[in-house]
Amino acid sequence: SQKIEQNSEALNIQEGKTATLTCNYTNYSPAYLQWYRQDPGRGPVFLLLIRENEKEKRKERLKVTFDTTLKQSLFHITASQPADSATYLCALGKGAGNMLTFGGGTRLMVKP
Amino acid sequence: GAVVSQHPSRVICKSGTSVKIECRSLDFQATTMFWYRQFPKQSLMLMATSNEGSKATYEQGVEKDKFLINHASLTLSTLTVTSAHPEDSSFYICSARPLGGDSHYNEQFFGPGTRLTVL
Repeated sequence: SQKIEQNSEALNIQEGKTATLTCNYTNYSPAYLQWYRQDPGRGPVFLLLIRENEKEKRKERLKVTFDTTLKQSLFHITASQPADSATYLCALGKGAGNMLTFGGGTRLMVKP
Repeated sequence: GAVVSQHPSRVICKSGTSVKIECRSLDFQATTMFWYRQFPKQSLMLMATSNEGSKATYEQGVEKDKFLINHASLTLSTLTVTSAHPEDSSFYICSARPLGGDSHYNEQFFGPGTRLTVL
């Protein structure tokens, strides 16, 4: 069965450093991958989408890579700030009519 | 734009009672709404997909008679947890797919979630 893995351990980094989060998947061939931010007790907020034919996507301090050979996406936050502290979820999809499948999320803690 | 609201944000009920959760798309029409459940420190698990005017499609293992979904309009879907038990305590999140959304991917906007506690 398809499996999406994100590091369940919290990632602690110092303010100003680059945070890198990983999303690995198996038994799946997604057409696209999305990254969401979720704060405690809140719903997910969409951040970025990257399609299978794209290697990299950027948005302000965020960068996402997608390697369909390694079956992996990396999510980078440069110049991290304490306000970036949250749980980050990756989600994979095959098309408009197909469900999104979410990873377990990685909690990021940025210390001042 | 693309705001989704849920009501209530928190609810505490006694075992055996029913609880209704509303999900509204405030500034867009939604052809499809999704209901997810999230247990502490776990990911979102899709419970069901509802399309306006038709019956919801439930994921494997989700009891349709226990989790009643109604999608009566293009801006409102409701989830009713019937005869709730403590094991139904969870964080319930809805999302909505805009009418006329991108045809290539499943674009969803999420609500803020409803924390259900069954005593």
